[in-house]
Amino acid sequence: KAGVTQTPRYLIKTRGQQVTLSCSPISGHRSVSWYQQTPGQGLQFLFEYFSETQRNKGNFPGRFSGRQFSNSRSEMNVSTLELGDSALYLCASSAVQYNEQFFGPGTRLTVL
Amino acid sequence: AQSVAQPEDQVNVAEGNPLTVKCTYSVSGNPYLFWYVQYPNRGLQFLLKYITGDNLVKGSYGFEAEFNKSQTSFHLKKPSALVSDSALYFCAVRDLDTGGFKTIFGAGTRLFVKA
Repeated sequence: KAGVTQTPRYLIKTRGQQVTLSCSPISGHRSVSWYQQTPGQGLQFLFEYFSETQRNKGNFPGRFSGRQFSNSRSEMNVSTLELGDSALYLCASSAVQYNEQFFGPGTRLTVL
Repeated sequence: AQSVAQPEDQVNVAEGNPLTVKCTYSVSGNPYLFWYVQYPNRGLQFLLKYITGDNLVKGSYGFEAEFNKSQTSFHLKKPSALVSDSALYFCAVRDLDTGGFKTIFGAGTRLFVKA
């Protein structure tokens, strides 16, 4: 089975712009979660989707949003980018919500 | 509220020696506990999990972890460390919260194995 894929792998944006990141989970996995990883804050939970519904959301401002499609692929969007949004954004999928997650390689976002 | 603590930022061990990476947790219900490893410039890889059953769980690459309910700990162990085990290790708890699952990660422990 192919692993979790994320596109693009690298992004450079300027403040005020918006960005959309994409994640394709492992085939058959219906749960997709997003995380932000930074050196200072570690791994922070953004949100989780299951069967196209957002089931949980972390403590991030409304500029961060996401969605899941019927084929379980997911996108996350960050609007009005700030310098502090520079991070590695990781997507993870799991077959069952309480089970282990499989992570993609991440998208490295740099905001200038 | 759920929380995970990894008290050591860094663990240094000589190759061939046993290693332990510590983790304590706090959850409101039954814990679903995990260990993940991250190599440089790569995503996280699943190592092992505790859902229910035996307190000693075995995982990938010779790692194991012991679930201790009374001490709310889930320490990662390996009998004989390899240089290739050097990486960043994360303990995580997955808990049901407000209708959906949420994963809380510890801050991570960097393991250095010296040859």
